[in-house]
Amino acid sequence: GDSVTQMEGPVTLSEEAFLTINCTYTATGYPSLFWYVQYPGEGLQLLLKATKADDKGSNKGFEATYRKETTSFHLEKGSVQVSDSAVYFCALSDSLSGGYQKVTFGTGTKLQVIP
Amino acid sequence: DAGVIQSPRHEVTEMGQEVTLRCKPISGHNSLFWYRQTMMRGLELLIYFNNNVPIDDSGMPEDRFSAKMPNASFSTLKIQPSEPRDSAVYFCASTPHYSTGELFFGEGSRLTVL
Repeated sequence: GDSVTQMEGPVTLSEEAFLTINCTYTATGYPSLFWYVQYPGEGLQLLLKATKADDKGSNKGFEATYRKETTSFHLEKGSVQVSDSAVYFCALSDSLSGGYQKVTFGTGTKLQVIP
Repeated sequence: DAGVIQSPRHEVTEMGQEVTLRCKPISGHNSLFWYRQTMMRGLELLIYFNNNVPIDDSGMPEDRFSAKMPNASFSTLKIQPSEPRDSAVYFCASTPHYSTGELFFGEGSRLTVL
């Protein structure tokens, strides 16, 4: 079955440091890939997505590239801010017959950015 | 545009009581998901509906949990009787049918069972 593996947290960085959160996946079909972010006390919200191989998703300075050959979708940001402190979830969505979407989430990686 | 609306935001109850959580998906979204989030288990899919029909309820932990979607704009998740181990944040999410799979989450209902 489908699965998503992301690096264990928490990750603690100083402000303006470079961020990488690793994510690899296993899927039977041709999934879409997502990064969601969850700020304290809130629900998950979509950060970026990529729907096919070699696509790059980007938003708010974050980027991730869909690498089919390595089954990876690593999240990167060149210079983190304190306001980026949150939990980040990697996810994949696989289409099933009938148009249904099966969404699989990773376990989440907590990022703490210190001034 | 209104997002996914969940109620209550916080619920504190005693063991053995019935708990009902409510969700209003985004208008026009055909698929609705219930998730549970805990520190120990992370984010778990409990059940999802498409066009008001339950498609996969394999994540529902046991018979004490039930979910319904009587119409396209309303769903409930019920726990009866509740137990302390049910304490968690319960999220509802919706998405259009035949979408790329992007989910739109509500703000969650934090349940504490004493």
